[in-house]
Amino acid sequence: EPEVTQTPSHQVTQMGQEVILRCVPISNHLYFYWYRQILGQKVEFLVSFYNNEISEKSEIFDDQFSVERPDGSNFTLKIRSTKLEDSAMYFCASSEESNQPQHFGDGTRLSIL
Amino acid sequence: AQSVTQPDIHITVSEGASLELRCNYSYGATPYLFWYVQSPGQGLQLLLKYFSGDTLVQGIKGFEAEFKRSQSSFNLRKPSVHWSDAAEYFCAVVPHGSGNTGKLIFGQGTTLQVKP
Repeated sequence: EPEVTQTPSHQVTQMGQEVILRCVPISNHLYFYWYRQILGQKVEFLVSFYNNEISEKSEIFDDQFSVERPDGSNFTLKIRSTKLEDSAMYFCASSEESNQPQHFGDGTRLSIL
Repeated sequence: AQSVTQPDIHITVSEGASLELRCNYSYGATPYLFWYVQSPGQGLQLLLKYFSGDTLVQGIKGFEAEFKRSQSSFNLRKPSVHWSDAAEYFCAVVPHGSGNTGKLIFGQGTTLQVKP
């Protein structure tokens, strides 16, 4: 069964540094998402992406965050200047349609020191 | 305010016992409803979904869920729990509406522990 893959599985970064989290969505999917889960808290929506543009973003997704689909397969989340509070598990997801179930990757654990 | 509530943060059941995990939502129109499971160190796996039609839906791993419009609930059930069911369970919704982007709104999650 096709899977969403995320790399790296764990990223440790100094505060203030830039970090790029990578995702390869399922190949025939058109809708892409990033979520995050701070330790012990619920999964929170960050951003949705369709037709090469952001379709919705949450309040969390401020100017420090950006997403890109640089080629036909990758979907990246960039945090420009990381803060301690960015430490979380970041999940990528994709779906065929906006109302269809989303398939999640195993996540990237981001640790900011 | 629009929300998804899972009243039980932590539940412990004995192996072989039945299970019900509660989920309530607060939206004007019935949203699309989902249950996901997260095992330690893993991503979120879809258990089942409800869009419309039959209010009792069957999912993977022997799980089912019943949609009750009058109670704004979508509770997850399993007749006989296995030790491998120990995990975190999330109820989630995609609100209906124009400009729907598919954004999933999650509940806080319920941690299921299974006793031998």
